[in-house]
Amino acid sequence: GAGVSQSPSNKVTEKGKDVELRCDPISGHTALYWYRQSLGQGLEFLIYFQGNSAPDKSGLPSDRFSAERTGGSVSTLTIQRTQQEDSAVYLCASSRSRTSTEAFFGQGTRLTVV
Amino acid sequence: AQSVTQPDIHITVSEGASLELRCNYSYGATPYLFWYVQSPGQGLQLLLKYFSGDTLVQGIKGFEAEFKRSQSSFNLRKPSVHWSDAAEYFCAVGVTAGNKLTFGGGTRVLVKP
Repeated sequence: GAGVSQSPSNKVTEKGKDVELRCDPISGHTALYWYRQSLGQGLEFLIYFQGNSAPDKSGLPSDRFSAERTGGSVSTLTIQRTQQEDSAVYLCASSRSRTSTEAFFGQGTRLTVV
Repeated sequence: AQSVTQPDIHITVSEGASLELRCNYSYGATPYLFWYVQSPGQGLQLLLKYFSGDTLVQGIKGFEAEFKRSQSSFNLRKPSVHWSDAAEYFCAVGVTAGNKLTFGGGTRVLVKP
């Protein structure tokens, strides 16, 4: 596609439920990043995928968070047993390669946990 | 670990006036430095970046930034702002050429007519 696509754009879920957020990167981009943007914490790195290498999960806040990238393209961020503090905008970005100097961001998924 | 500070949370500027947004970073070596802009309801758009070489870098939309190693700063400037520049601006630092970034808290810019 022309840009990074994220779905859904908005998600409201009940506390304790699991949610899946999807990111479709720019075609041909091998690097994919997830960030979280929240009022209290600002913009935080979550996880990074590069090709077939093991992902860098160093930013995941707890073991309730996980992510997959299937076939080197689409990525899914899963949050299990959601808590109110998980409410945030989840941003996905992709870049041409690990050494590329520019990442292109999607418009994000706004998650609200009630 | 690296960190980024944007001292100004909000800035109000008149249309046509100049704008300067401050960014200070903490890192032991020369980092990779970025400025991003986020318009309401939008994702982040890269304005400019610094890796090495000329310390004054030009970006899109008429923005420029100057890297000052002695001050650990990377301030963003625009000589004359337009109403469309109203947005939130983020400074970010990376320690490799990739995009695993540490962001500052952001500066929200309001443009008065």
